Amino acid sequence: QITLKESGPTLVKPTQTLTLTCTFSGFSLSTSGVGVGWIRQPPGKALECLALIYWDDDKRYSPSLKSRLTITKDTSKNQVVLTMTNMDPVDTGTYYCAHRPGSSGYIGHWGQGTLVTVSS
Amino acid sequence: QSVLTQPPSVSGAPGQRVTISCTGSSSNIGAGYDVHWYQQLPGTAPKLLIYGDSNRPSGVPDRFSGSESGTSASLAITGLQAEDEADYYCQSYDSSLSGSMVFGGGTKVTVL
Repeated sequence: QITLKESGPTLVKPTQTLTLTCTFSGFSLSTSGVGVGWIRQPPGKALECLALIYWDDDKRYSPSLKSRLTITKDTSKNQVVLTMTNMDPVDTGTYYCAHRPGSSGYIGHWGQGTLVTVSS
Repeated sequence: QSVLTQPPSVSGAPGQRVTISCTGSSSNIGAGYDVHWYQQLPGTAPKLLIYGDSNRPSGVPDRFSGSESGTSASLAITGLQAEDEADYYCQSYDSSLSGSMVFGGGTKVTVL
């Protein structure tokens, strides 16, 4: 059974750095083709993929946010960490951790999501 | 503005058939990247509905079907039911964006 859970602050101030941790079970990020991503959704708006990290440590970032994002993995702890610098109120939304099971490219499992509010 | 374009909303009466389009370009759907579809019920995380253009995961009713042609894809729901009222998103990848995962803007399906 695959599970993913997001953890981190629910409230951050403008200009601060957001750090989110995804803790997962039921799969290994060492398996060929597997990836874990962060996908966010502002209230009432569409999904947006922020970053993906693959089994071989290849990383892909949203081009529009690349300068603000860092994604890393700790395979031994089954964790993936996303940092996002210089937070702004427009970054408010639900942040999902997601499992990409293989080269087919779809998201097979999602975390429950964590709502992050950016406000002073 | 999303890389993949979907209609904001579609509606239909119970039992009817509705379709949702997902229009891309030569750098995503047209480049051969598969299209995947997700259903998001209010207040919940998205759920995989269709993968690899037209495949249904175990447990997804066969009322849902997907297709792809050229630079576009479509999701069809036949025999529309009240429980199908949700937001639907298409997803693919884009070579002009360094192979980033991209989503459509989402379509709200309303059951009249």
